[in-house]
Amino acid sequence: DVKVTQSSRYLVKRTGEKVFLECVQDMDHENMFWYRQDPGLGLRLIYFSYDVKMKEKGDIPEGYSVSREKKERFSLILESASTNQTSMYLCASSRGAKNIQYFGAGTRLSVL
Amino acid sequence: QQQVKQSPQSLIVQKGGISIINCAYENTAFDYFPWYQQFPGKGPALLIAIRPDVSEKKEGRFTISFNKSAKQFSLHIMDSQPGDSATYFCAARHNSNYQLIWGAGTKLIIKP
Repeated sequence: DVKVTQSSRYLVKRTGEKVFLECVQDMDHENMFWYRQDPGLGLRLIYFSYDVKMKEKGDIPEGYSVSREKKERFSLILESASTNQTSMYLCASSRGAKNIQYFGAGTRLSVL
Repeated sequence: QQQVKQSPQSLIVQKGGISIINCAYENTAFDYFPWYQQFPGKGPALLIAIRPDVSEKKEGRFTISFNKSAKQFSLHIMDSQPGDSATYFCAARHNSNYQLIWGAGTKLIIKP
């Protein structure tokens, strides 16, 4: 069965802290995505990757970076967390051009 | 031009009724239109999808209606049940870069 695992369900951090959100998929998918979900705004794409070591900016990359050192793992990094980054973060993966995305359960991040 | 507009933002339907969620797009370069369902505490999951050469697709109680000339598509949930209460997202896939463009989501509540 398809599985995308996000390392934390809930996370509380202080303003200015460096935050790492980890995502692992076991489906050998090439494509991986990071979204944030906010009420009324839907899913907004932060960064995506079509291959190892490769990354592309999405619609709202400011304040975020990513790392993909292995095919199965895609990390989202908040270099200096701010309160406006309090949100639900969703990781997804997909195979090829069909791009049927499989999502993790999400990490709810609170920045105080 | 890249947007997918989804309405309504929230919807309350009586058990047994028909739930209808609408999406509209402008870009003719979209070639695949999926709907995702998200339960509280979970990530979105693919529910049903349609290609633009088909006007309707039905899977159980869920039907997508697609109007290519009007650039609109909608999700119909027949005989709505409390277990259908969830947030629903429409999306459109771009035919060149295969990116998904997401609607803002509809929170559906089915009243017993």
